[in-house]
Amino acid sequence: ETGVTQSPTHLIKTRGQQVTLRCSSQSGHNTVSWYQQALGQGPQFIFQYYREEENGRGNFPPRFSGLQFPNYSSELNVNALELDDSALYLCASSEGRDIGRTEQFFGPGTRLTVL
Amino acid sequence: AQSVTQLDSQVPVFEEAPVELRCNYSSSVSVYLFWYVQYPNQGLQLLLKYLSGSTLVKGINGFEAEFNKSQTSFHLRKPSVHISDTAEYFCAVSALNTGGFKTIFGAGTRLFVKA
Repeated sequence: ETGVTQSPTHLIKTRGQQVTLRCSSQSGHNTVSWYQQALGQGPQFIFQYYREEENGRGNFPPRFSGLQFPNYSSELNVNALELDDSALYLCASSEGRDIGRTEQFFGPGTRLTVL
Repeated sequence: AQSVTQLDSQVPVFEEAPVELRCNYSSSVSVYLFWYVQYPNQGLQLLLKYLSGSTLVKGINGFEAEFNKSQTSFHLRKPSVHISDTAEYFCAVSALNTGGFKTIFGAGTRLFVKA
């Protein structure tokens, strides 16, 4: 059984640029959630995808967008990067629409630095 | 909307001593409660969860937590800690909101086990 993988592991961008982060979910999982974890803080929920449709969103602006593909892998896109976007971005996969009840399996994260 | 407060940002403790990491939450709807652990440079791993039923929940690595509805708390305990328990611990609350499920994490408690 393959766990959750994320790419790239590290990324450096400049203000105003765009970035795409990728996540491969664990085998058998059809739900992917994305979180932003700033240094010294807990993860903040960005959004969740269930079977290719957005199924919940946190308090993030529209320049944070995502996709889920038929194989349930996912992308997080961030446009017009700001310095405050520097963080560890975590992807979590789970089985079923009801993420409140099921265990989420987290990837190791992508460390994004915006200069 | 729900919120999570982890009352201690850091907890130093000697090896083989007991430890309690405190978590309080607020929510206007029924919630599911979780504790996750994050080791350095890694993603989050589920320790335990409360969905319903018995208020005392046992998890991995000898950890347990007790759900107290009247005090809206979900404190994590371990009777005897090891050096390897040194990590960041996150309490999380999940509930159904308008627009889908959202999982809210606390800011984390850094457990430091000393020899």
